[in-house]
Amino acid sequence: QVQLQESGPGLVKPSETLSLTCTVSGGSISNHYWSWIRQPPGKGLEWIGYIFYSGSTNYNPSLKSRVTISVDTSKNQFSLKLTSVTAADTAVYYCARMDFWSGFYWGQGISVTVSS
Amino acid sequence: QSVLTQPPSVSGAPGQRVTISCTGSRSNIGAFFDVHWYQQIPGKAPKLLIYGNNNRPSGVPDRFSGSKSGTSASLVITGLQAEDEADYYCQSYDSSLSSGAVFGGGTKLTVL
Repeated sequence: QVQLQESGPGLVKPSETLSLTCTVSGGSISNHYWSWIRQPPGKGLEWIGYIFYSGSTNYNPSLKSRVTISVDTSKNQFSLKLTSVTAADTAVYYCARMDFWSGFYWGQGISVTVSS
Repeated sequence: QSVLTQPPSVSGAPGQRVTISCTGSRSNIGAFFDVHWYQQIPGKAPKLLIYGNNNRPSGVPDRFSGSKSGTSASLVITGLQAEDEADYYCQSYDSSLSSGAVFGGGTKLTVL
């Protein structure tokens, strides 16, 4: 059974870059799409973007100018970078395996607060 | 504003049936993209409930069912139980986002 685990700092200062990593265990990162999704406190789910294991990406237009998703197949990991963060970026960030026909398979999530 | 529209809340008594709607457009649900449903208990990660419009993953009770028609989809829960109280989200993909994912705003189910 594949497992996904997010890691990274829980507190980021305004204007800085949020960096998170998702480690995939119990299965290969190859031949799949991998995604980041976030959920602000008390609000709904927002798709951030996805990456195919080969490196091709697709980002939410509302975040595209600030987002980079990358993959490291040798480490079975993929990562998120979000630049110039503000308080509005405070959220629980989920990594997930994405399949167009069977939906998202989620990590447990990591809470990130943007505050000085 | 979410791309897919869900009612903010629904409620029902134990044993009853409830329906949660999810309305999209021709660029997402009305295109060839499947609809998936997730259940989220507060403080927990979403859990896949229905995939491919009407399929249940292993372990999901058959009290949960999904359907899709035109630009809309529905989640039906029969024989409501207290443990079903949670937030429910529909999800699809959108051709205007180059097949990016879109979510509904979520529906809070209250078991009376």
